[in-house]
Amino acid sequence: DAGVIQSPRHEVTEMGQEVTLRCKPISGHDYLFWYRQTMMRGLELLIYFNNNVPIDDSGMPEDRFSAKMPNASFSTLKIQPSEPRDSAVYFCASSARTPGNNSPLHFGNGTRLTVT
Amino acid sequence: QQQVKQSPQSLIVQKGGISIINCAYENTAFDYFPWYQQFPGKGPALLIAIRPDVSEKKEGRFTISFNKSAKQFSLHIMDSQPGDSATYFCATPGANNLFFGTGTRLTVIP
Repeated sequence: DAGVIQSPRHEVTEMGQEVTLRCKPISGHDYLFWYRQTMMRGLELLIYFNNNVPIDDSGMPEDRFSAKMPNASFSTLKIQPSEPRDSAVYFCASSARTPGNNSPLHFGNGTRLTVT
Repeated sequence: QQQVKQSPQSLIVQKGGISIINCAYENTAFDYFPWYQQFPGKGPALLIAIRPDVSEKKEGRFTISFNKSAKQFSLHIMDSQPGDSATYFCATPGANNLFFGTGTRLTVIP
């Protein structure tokens, strides 16, 4: 298996522009997570899906952020409009079962977003 | 959100030395405590995990020690190597997710 695939690896955009991050989870995994990593706040959970259904989006910073999972093999995280404080590395991760049940998270290599 | 307190923030160890990273958690109803390892430019990856029905788990040079009464668990890296230089995260599970510590940046000096 190729693992979790994220694209793009790097994204540089200007404030106010729309940004779309993409993720392909590992086939057969029921859970998909979006995390954001910054030096100040570490790894923050933004949202997660179970069987393509959003379960908890309480970590989404504000309405500018939205996430979708139209099918089991694809998810997007969209920021519209983007702001400089959104600059971070965004990770997608998937797991076969709930992580609380000894099922590891498999992370992609992340998208480094820079908003100028 | 569940709190996981991790220390130290950074750690510098000589090659061959022992690296120790500590985590303290609040309440959890789940019995699974993992450590993740992250290299620059990569996502975190599961390193080792423990269930608290045992107080210690060892995999090669990596050992988790668990103290359920104190709500603490630690990662010990024996005979630390330059290739171990990475950021390490402890985590505790919630109902359907993981709460990560703030990370420890380990540097092993040759």
